[in-house]
Amino acid sequence: EPEVTQTPSHQVTQMGQEVILRCVPISNHLYFYWYRQILGQKVEFLVSFYNNEISEKSEIFDDQFSVERPDGSNFTLKIRSTKLEDSAMYFCASRSSGRGDSYEQYFGPGTRLTVT
Amino acid sequence: AQKITQTQPGMFVQEKEAVTLDCTYDTSDPSYGLFWYKQPSSGEMIFLIYQGSYDQQNATEGRYSLNFQKARKSANLVISASQLGDSAMYFCAMREGGTGRRALTFGSGTRLQVQP
Repeated sequence: EPEVTQTPSHQVTQMGQEVILRCVPISNHLYFYWYRQILGQKVEFLVSFYNNEISEKSEIFDDQFSVERPDGSNFTLKIRSTKLEDSAMYFCASRSSGRGDSYEQYFGPGTRLTVT
Repeated sequence: AQKITQTQPGMFVQEKEAVTLDCTYDTSDPSYGLFWYKQPSSGEMIFLIYQGSYDQQNATEGRYSLNFQKARKSANLVISASQLGDSAMYFCAMREGGTGRRALTFGSGTRLQVQP
């Protein structure tokens, strides 16, 4: 069964450093998303991406964040200068464009980012 | 106002019994979708069940069913014949709009513990 993959599974970085979180969505999916979950809290939407551009973003997704689809398979989230409060689990999700389905978003296993 | 409200931070259920996890939502969009995800202690987000706003019948997936009461704006998850492996966090989520490309808004979750 196809699945969304994310690397690394855990990243530790120092405050102020740049990090890039990587995701490989399901191959025929066209919509991509990043969410984050601070430990013990609910999952929060960051950004959605379609047709090589951002289609929607939340207030969390400020100038420190950027997304890119550098090739046909990867989808990345970059945090330019990490802050302590960026420590969270980051989930990538993707969904197909097919109508008549549940519009289910398939989530990756997550990357746990720890900023020290 | 919260778009998704899960009022039960924690629930206990005996193995083999049924349990209902509550979810209420708030939207003025006539077209929306409601989702339930399971998050075990390992952290991944597992899709369980989906209900579209125009679906006439309640959704069912194996031991999971969704008690959809549109007028009350509730979408409770019913797990029948609970198993020890059902112990996890459960998140209700909503996608507003009919195109399916919108992001999901999550509730704060309910931690379910199944006791032997």
